[in-house]
Amino acid sequence: AQSVSQHNHHVILSEAASLELGCNYSYGGTVNLFWYVQYPGQHLQLLLKYFSGDPLVKGIKGFEAEFIKSKFSFNLRKPSVQWSDTAEYFCAVNAGGAGSYQLTFGKGTKLSVIP
Amino acid sequence: IAGITQAPTSQILAAGRRMTLRCTQDMRHNAMYWYRQDLGLGLRLIHYSNTAGTTGKGEVPDGYSVSRANTDDFPLTLASAVPSQTSVYFCASSAGTDTQYFGPGTRLTVL
Repeated sequence: AQSVSQHNHHVILSEAASLELGCNYSYGGTVNLFWYVQYPGQHLQLLLKYFSGDPLVKGIKGFEAEFIKSKFSFNLRKPSVQWSDTAEYFCAVNAGGAGSYQLTFGKGTKLSVIP
Repeated sequence: IAGITQAPTSQILAAGRRMTLRCTQDMRHNAMYWYRQDLGLGLRLIHYSNTAGTTGKGEVPDGYSVSRANTDDFPLTLASAVPSQTSVYFCASSAGTDTQYFGPGTRLTVL
């Protein structure tokens, strides 16, 4: 079964620091990749997604992610975080092929940004 | 456009009771999903439906059942609730493999 690993459980940064959250998956075929964000007390919202094409994808609020196929990775980055980025971030993978729409989620990384 | 609605927002339930969590989407998405979110475990798929009339089991289906009589509704039933089913439950929908859109969640406590 496919799995998704997020390396950090909790990251604490000061405002303006750079962010990189790691995500690795365990599937060798074609994948669709997602990063979701969950602000405190809210539901998950899409940050960005990769299906094909340019492996560097840009999302909302200044986030970007790079798909590195050889490393089975899809790391999330932001050059300068803000206090409002405090949230939990989830990496997710769809790798089921035709007719399989399910996502496998990582366990999440909680980001705390200190003003 | 509401997107996905879930009801109730929260519920406290006695163990052994039957409970149905409701989920409705207005985006005409073919696929719908139920997840549970537990601290430190992320989101785990309970059941899914690729299209109306079909359902499938996810990672943690035991103790739960679903039905998909039409495109819009995807209720989740706990036949006999147990304390380990205390969790936050999220419903989601998607157009195939595209982005999944999530509802606001139901916080369920089983005592």
